[in-house]
Amino acid sequence: AQTVTQSQPEMSVQEAETVTLSCTYDTSESDYYLFWYKQPPSRQMILVIRQEAYKQQNATENRFSVNFQKAAKSFSLKISDSQLGDAAMYFCAWGRGTYKYIFGTGTRLKVLA
Amino acid sequence: SAVISQKPSRDICQRGTSLTIQCQVDSQVTMMFWYRQQPGQSLTLIATANQGSEATYESGFVIDKFPISRPNLTFSTLTVSNMSPEDSSIYLCSVWTGGSGEKLFFGSGTQLSVL
Repeated sequence: AQTVTQSQPEMSVQEAETVTLSCTYDTSESDYYLFWYKQPPSRQMILVIRQEAYKQQNATENRFSVNFQKAAKSFSLKISDSQLGDAAMYFCAWGRGTYKYIFGTGTRLKVLA
Repeated sequence: SAVISQKPSRDICQRGTSLTIQCQVDSQVTMMFWYRQQPGQSLTLIATANQGSEATYESGFVIDKFPISRPNLTFSTLTVSNMSPEDSSIYLCSVWTGGSGEKLFFGSGTQLSVL
């Protein structure tokens, strides 16, 4: 069975600085997708970034990028130039061809002014 | 992408009562789901809302407690029945778009507090 682990319950970053959130997963599948979702206090789950496992190139979305290490089963999220609006819970998730995504327990990110 | 409207956004309910949560999608979708997020925890899939047939429930969730309706391809409701304080959670509607660009989209969630 697939598992997703986020070992950092909480992280802090100064505004304009860079922060990296960690995620590891376990799967026997070779083809799958990995996601980072953001959940601000509004409760809305917002897709931040998506990585296809068969692609070696790391996904990038503006200030958000990932470091995908397939052999190590690691999928970290880097947020550059952190902004106050980045403060939220961040969930790492694994999915493959079905709707049954596996979510990690989340990392709460605080952005300090 | 899909825009999902969910209401109510929050409610405070008395023990023993029921609450129905509505989810409206701006386009026809095959797969709609309901998730629960208990305080400080991750997301747990409750059930898949099937259009025209009974919902498919995950282990630990039953129809009597969480009846679901799916009258068409853009709308679903989740009822939390005979509530207890343990039902205090965020409930999230979601849709899945499959294929090569697969991803889950979520509604804005319903914060439920049971006294």
